[in-house]
Amino acid sequence: SYVLIQSPSVSVAPGKTARIPCGGNNIGDKSVHWYQQKAGQAPMVVIYYDEDRPSGIPERFSGSNSGNTATLTISRVEDGDEADYYCQVWDSSSDHWVFGGGTKLTVL
Amino acid sequence: QVQLVQSGAEVKKPGASVKVSCKTSGYSFTDYYTHWVRQAPGQGLEWMGWINPDSGATNYAQNFQGRVTMTRETSISTAYMELRILKSDDTAVYYCARWDDTALAYWGQGTLVTVSS
Repeated sequence: SYVLIQSPSVSVAPGKTARIPCGGNNIGDKSVHWYQQKAGQAPMVVIYYDEDRPSGIPERFSGSNSGNTATLTISRVEDGDEADYYCQVWDSSSDHWVFGGGTKLTVL
Repeated sequence: QVQLVQSGAEVKKPGASVKVSCKTSGYSFTDYYTHWVRQAPGQGLEWMGWINPDSGATNYAQNFQGRVTMTRETSISTAYMELRILKSDDTAVYYCARWDDTALAYWGQGTLVTVSS
């Protein structure tokens, strides 16, 4: 089955840029969705189809996807961005959805 | 507005079954697939499967094949997820979520299922 690899944690100072990678075999050929989950809350989509933002999500959130890595980029990080972030793809070979293991973003 | 409201927390013994409901409102229930995702304490998200509320067709993740059944009752816009032969590592928060051609854009509040003897 398809596997998505995420680093367990990323730390960044306020106002700086956070980059959260999601690795997978030829992930660039797939569409990647990103979810933010704050403590005690249900997840919320922040990026869909690699780079699109739902309404209400700040422009500071952006996504890219190429080769074996998709990346969620958060510019001008704020304290409120501290959360767990998960990537997700649909694996056509199994017709199953897959989540990455999640990355905890800590704002220093 | 779109809402998915799940049933309350459950405590079950090993070997038992649990059935979680997800009552939807604010949209046409049969127009959007309902997915189920679980999260063990301190762990990541795990996709369990989906149900097409219109046809009743289902697609289950390999890890749950044979133990999970997803159903729906269209007259009350409600989806259900039943997990059987519960083990301690099934202790988790179970979420339903609506797929709307972009991503899982709407989520229920989650249902904590605790499996303990």
